[in-house]
Amino acid sequence: QKEVEQNSGPLSVPEGAIASLNCTYSDRGSQSFFWYRQYSGKSPELIMFIYSNGDKEDGRFTAQLNKASQYVSLLIRDSQPSDSATYLCAVNILDWGGGADGLTFGKGTHLIIQP
Amino acid sequence: DAGVIQSPRHEVTEMGQEVTLRCKPISGHNSLFWYRQTMMRGLELLIYFNNNVPIDDSGMPEDRFSAKMPNASFSTLKIQPSEPRDSAVYFCASSFARVSNTEAFFGQGTRLTVV
Repeated sequence: QKEVEQNSGPLSVPEGAIASLNCTYSDRGSQSFFWYRQYSGKSPELIMFIYSNGDKEDGRFTAQLNKASQYVSLLIRDSQPSDSATYLCAVNILDWGGGADGLTFGKGTHLIIQP
Repeated sequence: DAGVIQSPRHEVTEMGQEVTLRCKPISGHNSLFWYRQTMMRGLELLIYFNNNVPIDDSGMPEDRFSAKMPNASFSTLKIQPSEPRDSAVYFCASSFARVSNTEAFFGQGTRLTVV
């Protein structure tokens, strides 16, 4: 059974600093990895996805993947109060029949950016 | 595109009543997912469809839950009879699964309260 683990937090980071969010997963067959952001009372929205080992940067966000350690992280540079939200890590395995396995989510890390 | 559309946004019902949640996926997407979110258990995958065919319903908690996807633009999740422990936010998500990219896009959710 696939499991995705995240520290629930809250993680408190001062404005302008780097926020580091971590995630581990149990299934070595996992192939794709996603970070979603969810504001209170809203639906999850995709921030980034990563498939290959190493770093992937998109603006202030950097996703890092280490498949050997089964570890995924998200770095947020120059943190803003608007980044305060719950960040969900998700993994899945491609169905080579052309479909997609459902995402397995961690329970999320609550991030608070202090002005 | 308007995104994934769910209805109703809120539903309050009495225990024992039938509840039907509806979802219209993003046009052109070939995978559809139903999730349930609670504080205790986080986001749980209930069932998913590829090309309108149910692939994995192992996440459906009980026989009281059923889901259908009669065509590519519509899906329902039915709970009959409903119980107070079914109270949660139910999300529908869709994706266009391909080798390079399988991110799922979420609807706004249906907040279900069973009293």
